[in-house]
Amino acid sequence: EAGVTQSPTHLIKTRGQQATLRCSPISGHTSVYWYQQALGLGLQFLLWYDEGEERNRGNFPPRFSGRQFPNYSSELNVNALELEDSALYLCASRGTMRSNQPQQFGDGTRLSIL
Amino acid sequence: GIQVEQSPPDLILQEGANSTLRCNFSDSVNNLQWFHQNPWGQLINLFYIPSGTKQNGRLSATTVATERYSLLYISSSQTTDSGVYFCAVDFAGNQFYFGTGTSLTVIP
Repeated sequence: EAGVTQSPTHLIKTRGQQATLRCSPISGHTSVYWYQQALGLGLQFLLWYDEGEERNRGNFPPRFSGRQFPNYSSELNVNALELEDSALYLCASRGTMRSNQPQQFGDGTRLSIL
Repeated sequence: GIQVEQSPPDLILQEGANSTLRCNFSDSVNNLQWFHQNPWGQLINLFYIPSGTKQNGRLSATTVATERYSLLYISSSQTTDSGVYFCAVDFAGNQFYFGTGTSLTVIP
């Protein structure tokens, strides 16, 4: 069974640009979670999508947004990039919104802002 | 408010030693996971353990939901066990809250 896949592996942008990160969940999983992990810190919850809808949002500004497609893959968009957006962005998938199943994580996208 | 606290924050072990990592949480738990983040940033799912005890090789975990804590045991530690260990707690069936992690270094 293929795991959670994220692309690109690395992304380098400059301040003010826009970044798009992608995540494909495990087959059969409908829930996708996005997390930000700044260098040396823990994981901060960003967004949760299930069945194509945004279900919950962490304490991040509106320039962090995303969507979930009919095949349950997801995009995270970050507009007007700032230096402090440099981080590892991790995506996780889970069976369904109310399932008692573990999250499975992808390998992440390392976003560097110059 | 919601809190997930891990201890100790840092741990240095000689290869072959045993250790116990702790995760305290502030409310009734729906789900709980332990993860190992390796030096390359990959998060590996170790245990999914909202209650009870599970074992997987040299690792085991116990969650006492009524007392709001979980323990991760590492026996006969190896250098490949180095990394950061996170617990993540789901209180209401929607999102997971991560602790700040325990950074483990195993020296040969």
